[in-house]
Amino acid sequence: QITLKESGPTLVRPTQTLTLTCTFSGFSISTSGVGVGWIRQPPGKALEWLALIYWDDDKRYSPSLKNRLIITKGTSKNQVVFAMTDMDPVDTGTYYCAQAFVPGDTKSFYFDYWGLGTLVTVSS
Amino acid sequence: DVQMTQSPSTLSASVGDRVTITCRASQNIFGWLAWYQQKPGKAPKLLIYDTSSLDSGVPSRFSGSGSGTEFTLSISSLQPDDFATYYCQQYNSYWGTFGQGTKVDIK
Repeated sequence: QITLKESGPTLVRPTQTLTLTCTFSGFSISTSGVGVGWIRQPPGKALEWLALIYWDDDKRYSPSLKNRLIITKGTSKNQVVFAMTDMDPVDTGTYYCAQAFVPGDTKSFYFDYWGLGTLVTVSS
Repeated sequence: DVQMTQSPSTLSASVGDRVTITCRASQNIFGWLAWYQQKPGKAPKLLIYDTSSLDSGVPSRFSGSGSGTEFTLSISSLQPDDFATYYCQQYNSYWGTFGQGTKVDIK
């Protein structure tokens, strides 16, 4: 059974860095064809993909946010860490981590298992 | 960047109706399209991948079709559990672009 769970602060001050951890079970991030990604959703709005890390440690970032994002594998082999710098109130929303399935050589991906999400509020 | 545009934004329907949602890509994505269902306060759930392949456990009343730049998600007979928001996502490029969502609500 595959599960993922996001953890981290629920309140972040403007200009601070948000750091979230995704702890997962039921799969290995080292397995070829697997990735872990982060997606966010502002209240009442659409999903927005942010970042993804692949089994081989390759990484992809949303072009519009790439200068603010970092994704890494955690010190535990069942964790992925995500950071977003210079937080602003517009970054308020639910942040999800999800397992990505990578079907081919191009390293494109879709998400087949999702965590429950964690609501992050950016406010002073 | 590939842009994904869904229509309509909101769809009002009754139980038993056939429902169709359209997703258009700004460039050719071949068949690399997924659909997700999201209920209020819940995480999205994968319904369909590769345009038309149902994920495990997804009822057969859901179907997907299309190619190139135009895709559809159909529900053959809408059930009470299907009132939700639906998102498409392209994965032709390695930026996982989502559509803006289509909310299916009760007429």
